[in-house]
Amino acid sequence: EVQLVESGGGLVQPGGSLKLSCAASGVTFSGSGIHWVRQASGKGLEWVGRIRSKADSYATAYAASVKGRFTISRDDSKNTAYLQMSSLKTEDTAVYYCTRHVERSGRYFDYWGQGTLVTVSP
Amino acid sequence: DIVMTQSPLSLPVTPGEPASISCRSSQSLLDSSGYNHVDWYLQKPGQSPQLLIYLGSNRASGVPDRFSGSGSGTDLTLKISRVEAEDVGVYYCMQALQIPLTFGGGTKVEIK
Repeated sequence: EVQLVESGGGLVQPGGSLKLSCAASGVTFSGSGIHWVRQASGKGLEWVGRIRSKADSYATAYAASVKGRFTISRDDSKNTAYLQMSSLKTEDTAVYYCTRHVERSGRYFDYWGQGTLVTVSP
Repeated sequence: DIVMTQSPLSLPVTPGEPASISCRSSQSLLDSSGYNHVDWYLQKPGQSPQLLIYLGSNRASGVPDRFSGSGSGTDLTLKISRVEAEDVGVYYCMQALQIPLTFGGGTKVEIK
């Protein structure tokens, strides 16, 4: 069974930091890009950023709203990706999903995690 | 950034009847090879999004054939030939042509 499991969410004060993890099982991880997508309560989906595979030099890219504050990394030996969030703002409050990106026959997200809630509040 | 605009915002449907969702992009999603880089996702209540359609018209594995994607360039459509109760949720289009990836605002499908 394919699983992406996010962890590390929680309550943090504005200006604080948090590191999310995304652990994959039952699916090839190392050859795929991993993206993070977030969803504020009752709102739509917002792309946060991505890290490509080793073959693509682990290239990263970020949404303008998080650039310079968030960093995506991965450890293929652990089948895990990370989202390091710093200088957090109240508007970063959302459920954060990790998702596997396919780029071979199209470009799409085939597997999603269940999401982890990040709440930024005084 | 490419802006994705979905309509309608809300879509009440009768089981067994067809449904259609429109997605318009601020620039063409058609690449030089003739592929439309738009995906459709369904987020059922309380669940993570799931892939329905990729490259504009290709059904993902396990997706019933009542779902179809069509259109090209800046005007894309998702159609459900006969809506079933299990199809309720929020549907999102997403452009996969360029970074940053961007989603439409969503269309909430509910049963009348």
